[in-house]
Amino acid sequence: DVKVTQSSRYLVKRTGEKVFLECVQDMDHENMFWYRQDPGLGLRLIYFSYDVKMKEKGDIPEGYSVSREKKERFSLILESASTNQTSMYLCASHGYDYNSPLHFGNGTRLTVT
Amino acid sequence: EDKVVQSPLSLVVHEGDTVTLNCSYEVTNFRSLLWYKQEKKAPTFLFMLTSSGIEKKSGRLSSILDKKELFSILNITATQTGDSAVYLCAVEAGNQFYFGTGTSLTVIP
Repeated sequence: DVKVTQSSRYLVKRTGEKVFLECVQDMDHENMFWYRQDPGLGLRLIYFSYDVKMKEKGDIPEGYSVSREKKERFSLILESASTNQTSMYLCASHGYDYNSPLHFGNGTRLTVT
Repeated sequence: EDKVVQSPLSLVVHEGDTVTLNCSYEVTNFRSLLWYKQEKKAPTFLFMLTSSGIEKKSGRLSSILDKKELFSILNITATQTGDSAVYLCAVEAGNQFYFGTGTSLTVIP
């Protein structure tokens, strides 16, 4: 079974702090994604990565950056957290197999105060 | 612009009812359509559909894809309170996934 692990389930940070959200997958998947999910807005793509050291902006990259130094790990960084970044953050991974679904981690609920 | 639209936005039914959830899409380079169930945590995978007209079934849940009319339906028969959740539709196009905003299903005992 594919396992996608996010380092924290709940996180509370102060405005202006630098925040790191970590995601690790164990299936040697090439593609990894970071989404945020807000009521009424659904899942919105922040960044994704097709390979080590590669990154692509999604629909809402402002205020975020990412790092993929190893294939299994994809980190989301909030350079200076703001209250409008309070949200549920979901990491997902996907292999190039034609019949491979997108696999999600358990999510991190981030509150910025 | 690629998009995925789900309907209805929300639904309240009684236990034992049958429900049909809808997902329509407009994307380029379609590869697959996926259904997920989300309770108060991350989405869990239900079905992946790639071919028109072939029903996927798992217990009381089933789903079918129409690639000509660009939609899919998810059916749940004999609903139970444990079916209460948000059901998400996603379409894989190229190397990305596009999500609808979900249908919130509430099953009343």
